[in-house]
Order: sequence, then structure tokens, then C-alpha cells
Amino acid sequence: QSALTQPRSVSGSPGQSVTISCTGTSSDVGTYNYVSWYQQHPGKAPKLMIYDVTERPSGVPDRFSGSKSGNTASLTISGLQAEDEADYYCCSYAGLQVFGTGTKVTVL
Amino acid sequence: QVQLQESGPGLVKPSETLSLTCTVSGASISSYYWSWIRQPPGKGLEWIGYIYYSGSTNYNPSLKSRVTISIDTSNNHFSLRLSSVTAADTAVYYCARVVMGGYYFDYWGQGTLVTVSS
Repeated sequence: QSALTQPRSVSGSPGQSVTISCTGTSSDVGTYNYVSWYQQHPGKAPKLMIYDVTERPSGVPDRFSGSKSGNTASLTISGLQAEDEADYYCCSYAGLQVFGTGTKVTVL
Repeated sequence: QVQLQESGPGLVKPSETLSLTCTVSGASISSYYWSWIRQPPGKGLEWIGYIYYSGSTNYNPSLKSRVTISIDTSNNHFSLRLSSVTAADTAVYYCARVVMGGYYFDYWGQGTLVTVSS
């Protein structure tokens, strides 16, 4: 099972929106609505931001949203803030768990 | 409040077995699946496997021949053993709780760095 493909980096100014793509196959993202997203600041453990493609855990700001179309899932951060600068990983169920390659979000 | 804490040696010699334990507090280990995930320095996350309180396991096929995950419900902890380690197994190892309804990781330990070196 290969890692899901994410862009290496995305950037935006405070207040702007950025979208991170997560491309898999018909064996993972395309079949299961079990895509989750994790935020990781340097030296810290990952934090769950989105689960079941679109659901937000309690405490996660509503400017984080998830979606899926075909074999590609996406995480959108609206109203970008300085504290959103971090690495982001997608993850999909595929009979096992497969993570994305990771995306560094930079706030300009 | 659910908390997970990894423990174990920070240095393992090549060809030996890496052993880590994850102690769970604030939740019964008998109610969820539990997982190990690792992250080599400067690289992405890699799922290692998970275990249910019954002992049922599921492993990453790329590591399956070398991995054993076990669970101790009496002491509310679960463990990882990775045999025949090489430098490529140097990573931060995380334990995490799995919500099987959606196959996502909702609580994570802080992680522990294991270096494979002679």
C-alpha cells in the first residue's frame, strides 16, 4: 500500500484560505469515507483535526473543513492564522491505515 | 482525560529487538483499539499496526514479519516489539487510541525517540 500523495508545501497570508489535497486510489480514499487529517507542530505529537472526511472533533476551529471527490480528499483552512503553520497529514482506511506524505503549511 | 505515555529504551543495537510500552490512563484499554505509529526524523508518519483488547491484531504488511503488538488489560497498557532492527527503524514512536467506527486516531502519546545504533 503506497502513501497517499500530498503537496510538499502550501502557503498563504493571514486571513486567506489554503487547500491541501490528498490523492489516493480506488482502494483507499476512493472507496472509504474514513479519511482523517492531523496537524503536527515541530517536536509535538499529531493532533486530530478532521475525521470521517468532513467531521470536526470538539475544540477544532470551524475554519478547518474537509471534503472528498473521487480518489482525492482535501483539507481547507479558511481565515489562515499564524498558529496554523504546521505540518498536515491525511490518513485513509484501506483495510489497514495509510498516511499521506505530509504538507508543510507556511503563513506568510 | 485520556492520556497515553510511551516508555522504553532510547537506544537499540542493530539486529536486536526494539521494545516499547504504552500506558493508558483516563480510559479503559478494554473499550478501544490501540495503535503504534512511527516517524523517522524529518519524515512522514507510518502506521505500524493496532490491537484490540481481545488480542486481535492488524499489522502494516511492510513490517508484519518483524512486528508483534500485545496488550495487558490488567495493567492498562499495550506493547510493541520490532525485531531485527536496522538504522532505518530509527524514529519517534507514537502510541495512539483508535476509534474504529471511523478508523481515526483521537488521542496520541507524546512520542519517544528510538535510535538504532551500535
